[in-house]
Amino acid sequence: EPEVTQTPSHQVTQMGQEVILRCVPISNHLYFYWYRQILGQKVEFLVSFYNNEISEKSEIFDDQFSVERPDGSNFTLKIRSTKLEDSAMYFCASMPGASYEQYFGPGTRLTVT
Amino acid sequence: RKEVEQDPGPFNVPEGATVAFNCTYSNSASQSFFWYRQDCRKEPKLLMSVYSSGNEDGRFTAQLNRASQYISLLIRDSKLSDSATYLCVVNLRNNFNKFYFGSGTKLNVKP
Repeated sequence: EPEVTQTPSHQVTQMGQEVILRCVPISNHLYFYWYRQILGQKVEFLVSFYNNEISEKSEIFDDQFSVERPDGSNFTLKIRSTKLEDSAMYFCASMPGASYEQYFGPGTRLTVT
Repeated sequence: RKEVEQDPGPFNVPEGATVAFNCTYSNSASQSFFWYRQDCRKEPKLLMSVYSSGNEDGRFTAQLNRASQYISLLIRDSKLSDSATYLCVVNLRNNFNKFYFGSGTKLNVKP
């Protein structure tokens, strides 16, 4: 069964460093998302991406964040200058478009020290 | 006001029990509704979509009440493996771009 994959599973970085989180969505899906979940809190929407551009972003997704789909398969989230409060689990999700059912990757745990 | 609200629980039930969770949503333009299951430190996984007429999948039944703006999930004959956090997710009409997640309801099924 096709699945969304994410790398790395755990990333530790120092405050102020740039990180890139990578995702490979399911191949025939059309909509792509990034979410974050701070430990013990709810899943929060960050950004959606369709037709090679951002469709919608939340107030969390400020100028420090960017997304790309550079080669038609990978979908990346970049945080330019990490802060302690960026520590969270980051989930990528994709959706076929024929239905509203999202498929989530296993997540990347980001720890900013 | 939160877009989606859930009782955080935990609901502690014995094996074999029937348990029900509700979720309320604030925006009457909400169109699509889902229940996801999330195990500790894992990704959310789709449990079921919720249709206007209600739907059932084995031991799980989902209902939608548009007038009162809530959805429900009923689990019959609870199993130990049902222990998880159940997330209510809604989406606005004609908008693939954003989904609103509730904080989740934690279920503990005890032997």
